[in-house]
Amino acid sequence: EPEVTQTPSHQVTQMGQEVILRCVPISNHLYFYWYRQILGQKVEFLVSFYNNEISEKSEIFDDQFSVERPDGSNFTLKIRSTKLEDSAMYFCASSGSGLDYFGPGTRLLVL
Amino acid sequence: SQQGEEDPQALSIQEGENATMNCSYKTSINNLQWYRQNSGRGLVHLILIRSNEREKHSGRLRVTLDTSKKSSSLLITASRAADTASYFCATDAGGTSYGKLTFGQGTILTVHP
Repeated sequence: EPEVTQTPSHQVTQMGQEVILRCVPISNHLYFYWYRQILGQKVEFLVSFYNNEISEKSEIFDDQFSVERPDGSNFTLKIRSTKLEDSAMYFCASSGSGLDYFGPGTRLLVL
Repeated sequence: SQQGEEDPQALSIQEGENATMNCSYKTSINNLQWYRQNSGRGLVHLILIRSNEREKHSGRLRVTLDTSKKSSSLLITASRAADTASYFCATDAGGTSYGKLTFGQGTILTVHP
């Protein structure tokens, strides 16, 4: 069965550093998403991406965040200058036929 | 406003018992989905119910949807210790927000052997 993959599974970084989280969506999907889940809280939508541009973003997704599809397979989330409160699990998802498939997540810890 | 709020927040039952979790939402939806998450792990899709459906079954899972009350329930029958996890409902409003999901707070289910 096709699956969404994410790398790395864990990332530890210092406050103020840039991080790039990577995702490989399912190959024939056209819609891509990033979500995050702060420990013990609900999953929150960050951004959706379609046709090589952002289609929707939440108020969480401020100027420190950016997304890119640099080639035909990868979908990345960049956090420019990490803050302590960015510590969370970040999930990538892709959608086809109305069903969302989630990756296993990247656990980001900002120290 | 909160979309997709589950109750109870936590549920503790014995193996073999049924577990019922409820979800309420505020805006109109295209579909509603239930996910499972083992502690600190990824999200596993359980079942999707469309706005024009009232009930759906998948193995030991039964989901109902009442769009007039903007609510859904997930029933797990004959629960097992391995069902211990957090369960989330997520709504898809459709339209220009295609595929974007709004998650609830989740129900933590503990099944005691």
